[in-house]
Amino acid sequence: SAVISQKPSRDICQRGTSLTIQCQVDSQVTMMFWYRQQPGQSLTLIATANQGSEATYESGFVIDKFPISRPNLTFSTLTVSNMSPEDSSIYLCSVDQTGRPTDTQYFGPGTRLTVL
Amino acid sequence: GQNIDQPTEMTATEGAIVQINCTYQTSGFNGLFWYQQHAGEAPTFLSYNVLDGLEEKGRFSSFLSRSKGYSYLLLKELQMKDSASYLCRSYNTDKLIFGTGTRLQVFP
Repeated sequence: SAVISQKPSRDICQRGTSLTIQCQVDSQVTMMFWYRQQPGQSLTLIATANQGSEATYESGFVIDKFPISRPNLTFSTLTVSNMSPEDSSIYLCSVDQTGRPTDTQYFGPGTRLTVL
Repeated sequence: GQNIDQPTEMTATEGAIVQINCTYQTSGFNGLFWYQQHAGEAPTFLSYNVLDGLEEKGRFSSFLSRSKGYSYLLLKELQMKDSASYLCRSYNTDKLIFGTGTRLQVFP
């Protein structure tokens, strides 16, 4: 199994600012995923981040709004840029240890973001 | 597009059995996950079905019918701690798609 930590656990931000969320894993992983979960809704995949390559974004999400870094096999960051109240959500980091989506995925505890 | 449908909410009584259904698009289908998510927490993995049939893990079982595009999660001997959201997720041609989740409330 993988143990995942995220920082910050929660934050309240002003409109127009940016927040960078960190995800740290206790073992090397091939694929890391960033999800958003808006209140009362299910998880929506934002992007997939592989070490050494550009992140792959899902429809409706763009790099300018959600830049992602993946400097090594145990760490990733997601930045929510130029925030608006619509970005208020829980952001979750998830990992897949072997690169196969069929394997069990582990989730971080999430970052609860409120934008005023 | 890829659609996954599951009921929004369900209620049940402690000690009872509840079945949470999930239907999904069959094109490019490879397998189906179930997750449990307590309020304010991250999802935790429950099961993954690839082949037709029932897989049992203690009080929880998951069923899959590939031809019908249908799965269910069966929870037996319900406990209060089973009150949570249950997320169905399909793996279709390298895409992982979450359903909207079923919020289960267990009453004493």
